[in-house]
Amino acid sequence: EAQVTQNPRYLITVTGKKLTVTCSQNMNHEYMSWYRQDPGLGLRQIYYSMNVEVTDKGDVPEGYKVSRKEKRNFPLILESPSPNQTSLYFCASSLKPSGMHGANVLTFGAGSRLTVL
Amino acid sequence: AQKITQTQPGMFVQEKEAVTLDCTYDTSDPSYGLFWYKQPSSGEMIFLIYQGSYDQQNATEGRYSLNFQKARKSANLVISASQLGDSAMYFCAMREGEDRFTASKLTFGTGTRLQVTL
Repeated sequence: EAQVTQNPRYLITVTGKKLTVTCSQNMNHEYMSWYRQDPGLGLRQIYYSMNVEVTDKGDVPEGYKVSRKEKRNFPLILESPSPNQTSLYFCASSLKPSGMHGANVLTFGAGSRLTVL
Repeated sequence: AQKITQTQPGMFVQEKEAVTLDCTYDTSDPSYGLFWYKQPSSGEMIFLIYQGSYDQQNATEGRYSLNFQKARKSANLVISASQLGDSAMYFCAMREGEDRFTASKLTFGTGTRLQVTL
């Protein structure tokens, strides 16, 4: 089944304890992205990647790191989590970074709910 | 300025009735794409419908249609014959331009929570 898989789905951690949220897609998509969702703010982009070894900042990159060493994986790293990073996180991918064709739709993972105490 | 505006935080609709969820957008790029996603209480994001700025006709997907009014910069989602399973949060989103970098982001509105009642 074509999908984007995120782990863990739920995590409670403490301030300063490094964590990684993994994201993997099996659709050979070039483009991958991380979003965070907060009440009243919709989804905001954290980082994105056009292809292997190509990453760039989105709207809210502070406190996060990413890497894209393989096409299928795009982990999100919180080096020193803080309570304001408590959020619902989504990884998403699409075949190409751009193009207005409707087929270039972002497919989302199921989400990872992170709580930082 | 907000690129995507959804002015209805919450809406109610009776089962079997039609409902319109509003979305207005702001862009100066002639090439853009508009998307609607559904987020049920389980949390996943489900793609519903897409409209390209150059598309001549309004998009339709089953019970979903997009009322695209380019001059007014609006892209309202119409759900016909509402069902209880339509109760969810709905997000409007936009991707701008054809350039690989400017089109790299999907910008979301704040969402509308739809509740379908008996």
